[in-house]
Amino acid sequence: DQQVKQNSPSLSVQEGRISILNCDYTNSMFDYFLWYKKYPAEGPTFLISISSIKDKNEDGRFTVFLNKSAKHLSLHIVPSQPGDSAVYFCAASRGENSGYSTLTFGKGTMLLVSP
Amino acid sequence: DTGVSQNPRHKITKRGQNVTFRCDPISEHNRLYWYRQTLGQGPEFLTYFQNEAQLEKSRLLSDRFSAERPKGSFSTLEIQRTEQGDSAMYLCASSEHGPGANVLTFGAGSRLTVL
Repeated sequence: DQQVKQNSPSLSVQEGRISILNCDYTNSMFDYFLWYKKYPAEGPTFLISISSIKDKNEDGRFTVFLNKSAKHLSLHIVPSQPGDSAVYFCAASRGENSGYSTLTFGKGTMLLVSP
Repeated sequence: DTGVSQNPRHKITKRGQNVTFRCDPISEHNRLYWYRQTLGQGPEFLTYFQNEAQLEKSRLLSDRFSAERPKGSFSTLEIQRTEQGDSAMYLCASSEHGPGANVLTFGAGSRLTVL
């Protein structure tokens, strides 16, 4: 069973516009959430994270929003750039305070930003 | 710091052969993880080590798979009697212990093709 779900396999956005990538989770024990970006032939690269005690975390053009009651998070990229074209994975972990660090990943969303 | 290094990057083998992958983590990271990724899927957790101790194994890790981290530094993942279903990208990651434990740094992966 998929505990972390990314229901959109792909997303196309024009350069300069906002990209919104969505992620849902089912396990209430998850308390730390991450987004990774992956280019072809490379490993996933950490992008941004959020703890369950927050509802928003921002880092430059990237903002992650967490809605715990809906078990939903989203990644906003503003403005989108062609170099953002990649596969984006949502990941979740439980037990941040205990240091339990194994991540559960979604299937990914391929973002294509066109000039 | 050269990041997480994995070797070989590509391995083609015949069904029934044994293969071994090596991972060199970031030197100050004491946690090391192995994940597997197949086409269209996100990374799936296989096993993780804290120093030389293997603390968790996924049910995906059949008895044909064995992982070691003998001195708490590099790790090896061996697959015995390979099957075509073992064809995948094998990703290694490492992380700190403590507050940074949830942020995994991945290597570029070792792609296995079983003919």
